[in-house]
Amino acid sequence: SAVISQKPSRDICQRGTSLTIQCQVDSQVTMMFWYRQQPGQSLTLIATANQGSEATYESGFVIDKFPISRPNLTFSTLTVSNMSPEDSSIYLCSVEDPGQGAYEQYFGPGTRLTVT
Amino acid sequence: GQQLNQSPQSMFIQEGEDVSMNCTSSSIFNTWLWYKQDPGEGPVLLIALYKAGELTSNGRLTAQFGITRKDSFLNISASIPSDVGIYFCAGLHFGNQFYFGTGTSLTVIP
Repeated sequence: SAVISQKPSRDICQRGTSLTIQCQVDSQVTMMFWYRQQPGQSLTLIATANQGSEATYESGFVIDKFPISRPNLTFSTLTVSNMSPEDSSIYLCSVEDPGQGAYEQYFGPGTRLTVT
Repeated sequence: GQQLNQSPQSMFIQEGEDVSMNCTSSSIFNTWLWYKQDPGEGPVLLIALYKAGELTSNGRLTAQFGITRKDSFLNISASIPSDVGIYFCAGLHFGNQFYFGTGTSLTVIP
């Protein structure tokens, strides 16, 4: 399975600022995903990032707030813009690996963001 | 989006006991995945299921893809302290988007 790393692992930021989270994969993958996990909650998909095309955002998430880059098949960034305390969450990137004719998602370790 | 309900929400069990949890949906899914998440970590894939009725094991873990394709089950036999964590199910509906369950928090008492 793919090995995924994220930077930073955690950060404390002031409201109104922006943070860019990096996701690096050890192999080339087509599909990359960004999730948000609020404290004590399940995972919510923010957007799907395919190389060479604009990210596809889920309902409730917009590009101005969460711009995403996908410059190649092993790397992506998610920016959390103009942060507020409500943005305090764990942000996870994941990739899809084909397996046995179907697809499995593997996750990075997450970025724990606290906005003060 | 799709709603996946997991039960129970939390479990407190003695070491050595078996554990059962399930995940249900109002929609049909084509793939079911089960993950475990430790505090401060990302979810780790435990088992993947691809066919209705499929029963798959991974060590002490066994998962089943429900016949109706609207549910899935995860069993852990002879629990040990390192089984502690939150277990999530995830279902693939159409396309490539997985929907995640609400999670089951497992506490194992030594």
